[in-house]
Amino acid sequence: QQQVKQSPQSLIVQKGGISIINCAYENTAFDYFPWYQQFPGKGPALLIAIRPDVSEKKEGRFTISFNKSAKQFSLHIMDSQPGDSATYFCAASWGAGNMLTFGGGTRLMVKP
Amino acid sequence: NAGVTQTPKFRILKIGQSMTLQCTQDMNHNYMYWYRQDPGMGLKLIYYSVGAGITDKGEVPNGYNVSRSTTEDFPLRLELAAPSQTSVYFCASSLGGMDTEAFFGQGTRLTVV
Repeated sequence: QQQVKQSPQSLIVQKGGISIINCAYENTAFDYFPWYQQFPGKGPALLIAIRPDVSEKKEGRFTISFNKSAKQFSLHIMDSQPGDSATYFCAASWGAGNMLTFGGGTRLMVKP
Repeated sequence: NAGVTQTPKFRILKIGQSMTLQCTQDMNHNYMYWYRQDPGMGLKLIYYSVGAGITDKGEVPNGYNVSRSTTEDFPLRLELAAPSQTSVYFCASSLGGMDTEAFFGQGTRLTVV
């Protein structure tokens, strides 16, 4: 099963709040879990990524939490800012060619 | 450093027409990919290539063809365009292997009418 399920589809957060986006997968062959950020009219850009042997990774205000046994991972954006307003995609990588299976995306709006 | 460049940015096709979406990268990446993104949806893999002369199907290859004659270029061909191919198409490249970042182009917005 190649699906990656992402929730919520949309999220509104006040400036300074915490944004949380969740993803779940079935295929245990996935070996790398990146999050991409996409602004309107632009291509996705890598935000942060984690390997399945790590439970948490933090880069600045962005944190990935990874639960291998539950096959779930999540993105936390601390102190959310209006500039964080974008669509966020979780993804899972498979194969030596680093092919990506994407979640459906979450449109985040951070209100000033 | 231009990264991944896609042309054209926008295109309107009539049903049954054909076109080629161009993609070139200047990062000397071996791996290149084509994804499509439908409104409100995630990206789906159409085709990928692990090096010049080597291509393989992704999740949604029907109605498309690709070629990879050089490391830099990975064009996507649409034959007999259909309304179901209305989408935004993204080309990407990476070094390949685990933990490597995929770099995406700006996308081509295609409408088939």
